Amino acid sequence: EPEVTQTPSHQVTQMGQEVILRCVPISNHLYFYWYRQILGQKVEFLVSFYNNEISEKSEIFDDQFSVERPDGSNFTLKIRSTKLEDSAMYFCASSTRGEQPQHFGDGTRLSIL
Amino acid sequence: QKEVEQDPGPLSVPEGAIVSLNCTYSNSAFQYFMWYRQYSRKGPELLMYTYSSGNKEDGRFTAQVDKSSKYISLFIRDSQPSDSATYLCAIGYTDKLIFGTGTRLQVFP
Repeated sequence: EPEVTQTPSHQVTQMGQEVILRCVPISNHLYFYWYRQILGQKVEFLVSFYNNEISEKSEIFDDQFSVERPDGSNFTLKIRSTKLEDSAMYFCASSTRGEQPQHFGDGTRLSIL
Repeated sequence: QKEVEQDPGPLSVPEGAIVSLNCTYSNSAFQYFMWYRQYSRKGPELLMYTYSSGNKEDGRFTAQVDKSSKYISLFIRDSQPSDSATYLCAIGYTDKLIFGTGTRLQVFP
C-alpha cells in the first residue's frame, strides 16, 4: 500500500541552526501538509500546500518556517533558526484533494540542543 | 472552550469488550470527521472517515457522527490486544485537521 515516507527519523540540531525535514508524499496525491506534535500534547496543524503554494497556515507557522516542493516527489519543511521550543515530532501528510482523508508519515523527531 | 475535546483515558478493557471512544467539538462549521490510530513512535494511521451525520461501519469499527450535538464516536467490537494504541479524533475544517488529545486504549488478554 502506498505510504508517506519521511527522513530523517531523528534529527538533532543546535539551537539557531537551520534544519530541513523531508517528505515523499503518496505519488498521486496533490495536497500536502505538515503537522507537529510536542511531547505529551496533541497533533497541531502547521501548513497546507497545493499547486506549489501555501493554501493555509496556522499561527505557529511564522517567518522562521517555509515549505517547498523542490521536485516532483519531495516536499520539505525548513526551519531557519531553530529554537528549543521547536523540539517535537513533525509529521508530513498528503491527500488526493482538499477535504479528503489525509495519510501521515511516521514523522521526524526533531531535538534542539 | 477547546475546539475539539477528547477524554485522554487511559482506558483499560478485557479482550472481546466493546470500546466506545468519544469526542466533542465546538464549531458547527466543521466539515468532516476522521479517526486515527497511533502506535508509539509512529504516525497517525487512518481508521475511519465520514462527512455526514449517522453511522459508518468497517469491520469491527463503527464511526458515529451527530452534528446536531457536535459529538463523534468510534466503537470497536470484539477488541483485541493489537488494538492497544492511542486513538485520535480529527475534525476537518477547510484544508486542515484539528485533533483531539487522543485516548490511550489498553486491551488485555
